[in-house]
Order: sequence, then structure tokens, then C-alpha cells
Amino acid sequence: ETGVTQTPRHLVMGMTNKKSLKCEQHLGHNAMYWYKQSAKKPLELMFVYSLEERVENNSVPSRFSPECPNSSHLFLHLHTLQPEDSALYLCASSQLGGNTEAFFGQGTRLTVV
Amino acid sequence: QQQVKQSPQSLIVQKGGISIINCAYENTAFDYFPWYQQFPGKGPALLIAIRPDVSEKKEGRFTISFNKSAKQFSLHIMDSQPGDSATYFCAARGGGGGADGLTFGKGTHLIIQP
Repeated sequence: ETGVTQTPRHLVMGMTNKKSLKCEQHLGHNAMYWYKQSAKKPLELMFVYSLEERVENNSVPSRFSPECPNSSHLFLHLHTLQPEDSALYLCASSQLGGNTEAFFGQGTRLTVV
Repeated sequence: QQQVKQSPQSLIVQKGGISIINCAYENTAFDYFPWYQQFPGKGPALLIAIRPDVSEKKEGRFTISFNKSAKQFSLHIMDSQPGDSATYFCAARGGGGGADGLTFGKGTHLIIQP
């Protein structure tokens, strides 16, 4: 148990669907992240929330919409996705500053059909 | 533009041998260099990490060697075991204390043969 919980673990959705991924951290951290992991590519940082404020958006398409209602919860809202968006979506949290590592959840395996 | 280059892409080592994975970075603002281990179906888990003011860090069978002038760092796994078979990622953190997230290498698929 890493202290970061993601749901659902697997998701299959059509291109016209709307779905949301959920992440919850039980570590008392003040930063949360969404990463995308595709085959044969490095983990890609999508969004960063620091103290519940979004501080990073690496040119992510608007069909991905993050939400951070409080320091323990993070959502990724999905709509009108494309098949190339199929990937493992990983949530992570960390405590800003110092020698603090990022803890990852187990990810949501997303398949867009 | 890939800011952290990792090699090799895959590696096969005999049980008891030394596994070596190398990474190189470009951004001199990076201030923290973790290595992550990932098993199939799991998220990445921190293995060991180093800051650029240290040239080597050892934790059990795992050692990071860091060369700041060359902008390179490597992971050594001593006495490699079949349970070490996994994908390993090097990463680098920007100077924002975590607000910049992590930049990852492409990963190395390590297989330890019994």
C-alpha cells in the first residue's frame, strides 16, 4: 500500500463518453500530480497542483480536465478522448521542498475504443 | 526534447551479477535525482535518490553514482536477484522543490536470469 489510491484500476470508454479518474492520498502531502505512461515513452507530466493551485499544464489537450478540491483528492475528467489517449494514468503526491520523493498510485489503465 | 536520456533500453544479467543502468541529463537546474522501480500492474516505487552535492549513495545492494560535471548518474544493483526483474526509471526534479514535477527517462527493462 503506497498511500496513494487510484480508482478505477481499469477503464474502457468510447470516444463520446465522459468519465473521471479519482486519486486520493493519505500521506499529508501538499502537492499532487497526474502523469501519463504510454508504451515506449517516458512518463509524461500532465498536471501539477501545489497547495491546491494548478502550477503546471504541459500543453495537455483540453479533453483532459483536472480538478483538485482539497489537498487529499485529485480528479482527472475525461471527455471526447481519442484512441491514442489509451495509456496508464498515474497519480502521485509529494511534500514540496527538501529530500522528498513522489509517491505513486497503481494507476488507471485507460482504453479508448 | 528529451531532457533525461536513459540506457540501455533492456538488460539481461545473470543472478549474482551487477546490473548497471545509466542516465544523462541536460538541465543544470535539476536538484534531485530519484530512481524508481516498477513491476507489471503497479505504479513506480522509489528505490533510491541522490542530490547533486553527493557523488555516491548506497542503500543495501543499490548504489547511485553521480557525476555532476558530466551530468550523468547511474544505478548499480549488486548481487542481482530474480526478484529485481522489473522496469527501472531514472528521473530528475526541477529546482522548484517539486512544483515542477519529475522528468523521467524512458526506462530500462531488467531481467535477472536464475
